[in-house]
Amino acid sequence: DSGVTQTPKHLITATGQRVTLRCSPRSGDLSVYWYQQSLDQGLQFLIQYYNGEERAKGNILERFSAQQFPDLHSELNLSSLELGDSALYFCASSVDPGDGGRVFFGSGTQLSVL
Amino acid sequence: TQLLEQSPQFLSIQEGENLTVYCNSSSVFSSLQWYRQEPGEGPVLLVTVVTGGEVKKLKRLTFQFGDARKDSSLHITAAQPGDTGLYLCAPEPPEHTGKLIFGQGTTLQVKP
Repeated sequence: DSGVTQTPKHLITATGQRVTLRCSPRSGDLSVYWYQQSLDQGLQFLIQYYNGEERAKGNILERFSAQQFPDLHSELNLSSLELGDSALYFCASSVDPGDGGRVFFGSGTQLSVL
Repeated sequence: TQLLEQSPQFLSIQEGENLTVYCNSSSVFSSLQWYRQEPGEGPVLLVTVVTGGEVKKLKRLTFQFGDARKDSSLHITAAQPGDTGLYLCAPEPPEHTGKLIFGQGTTLQVKP
C-alpha cells in the first residue's frame, strides 16, 4: 500500500459526459501528480500541484482540469468525454516538487468511456 | 523532450530463465530510475542509478547505467512469476518539479 488513495477504482460512463477522479496523497506529501496510462501512449504526465498551486503541466487536454484543495486532496475533472479518453488514471504524491526520487503512486482509476 | 526507448516491448519466459531489458536514449541523463508496475497497481520505484558505469543489485535484479549515461539495462536472474509486470524507466526529474517522463516500458510475463 503506497498510502495514496484514489477513488473510484472503476468508472464507466458515456461519451460527452463529465467525471471527477479523486486522490488523497500520502500523509505529509504536499505535491500531487496526475498521469494517464493507455496502451498506445503509455504512462504520460498530465499535471502537478504543489500545496494548492499548479507547478507543472504536461500533455493535458483543455477538456481536462485539476485542482488541489487546502486539505491537499486533488481532483481531476474530465469533461466532454471521448472514446479515446478511456485509460487508467494515476495519482501520485511526493513530499516536495523536486522529490522525484520518492514519488508514490496510487492504484489508479480505470475509466471506460462507452 | 528526452525520448526513452525500451526494448523488448514484450517478453514471455519460463520461470527460472534469465533476461535483460534495455532503456536507451540519445540524450545524456544525470540519473535514471527504474519502476515496476504490477497488474492493477501503480508503478513502484525499484532503483535510481546515478553514476556512469554504476551497477546496483536488488536481490535477483541487476541494474546497470551505461558509461556515457545514455542507456541502462535491467537483468533478472532466475525469473519468478512474481517478477511479472511492466518495467518502466524514466530520467530522474529536475529539482524544481517531480514530473516523470517514462519510456513505453517492457511487459514481462514469467510463466510457472
